[in-house]
Amino acid sequence: AQTVTQSQPEMSVQEAETVTLSCTYDTSENNYYLFWYKQPPSRQMILVIRQEAYKQQNATENRFSVNFQKAAKSFSLKISDSQLGDTAMYFCAFMKAASGTYKYIFGTGTRLKVLA
Amino acid sequence: GAGVSQSPSNKVTEKGKDVELRCDPISGHTALYWYRQSLGQGLEFLIYFQGNSAPDKSGLPSDRFSAERTGGSVSTLTIQRTQQEDSAVYLCASSLAGLAGAGEQYFGPGTRLTVT
Repeated sequence: AQTVTQSQPEMSVQEAETVTLSCTYDTSENNYYLFWYKQPPSRQMILVIRQEAYKQQNATENRFSVNFQKAAKSFSLKISDSQLGDTAMYFCAFMKAASGTYKYIFGTGTRLKVLA
Repeated sequence: GAGVSQSPSNKVTEKGKDVELRCDPISGHTALYWYRQSLGQGLEFLIYFQGNSAPDKSGLPSDRFSAERTGGSVSTLTIQRTQQEDSAVYLCASSLAGLAGAGEQYFGPGTRLTVT
């Protein structure tokens, strides 16, 4: 069975600084997707960034980038130039890319606070 | 177009009563997911519907929990004989079929259930 571990329950960062959130996962699959979702205090969850396991290049979305280490089963999120609006819970998620079922496994989340 | 909607946004019920939570997915999304999020915790998978296939109910915590999806659209999560430990935020998400949407889930705002 797949598992996703986020070892940092809470983190804080000064505005404009860079912060990295860690995520590790365990799977015997070779083809899968990894995601970072953000849940602001208003509670609606939105996708931040996604990575296909077959792609070696790390995904990047503006100030958000990942460090995907497939052999180490590590998928960290780097937020550059942190903004107050980045304050949220961040969840790492795994999805097996096999036909017929697309169930997600979520980590327990990291609460990030951006300080002014 | 409209996003995923859920109703009610908040529900307070007495222990032992039944509750129904509703989810309206994005039109055209054939996959629908229910999750439970307890205070400060991650997302616990409950059930997953994919098109006309039999739902994946492997996450339902007890036989007091059930869900249905009518006409491949609206879904209702029913909790019978509610217990205090059922208090949580119940999140619904939808996505395009299979990998058509590259796995992105769109979340609703959730229903906060409080059992007194």
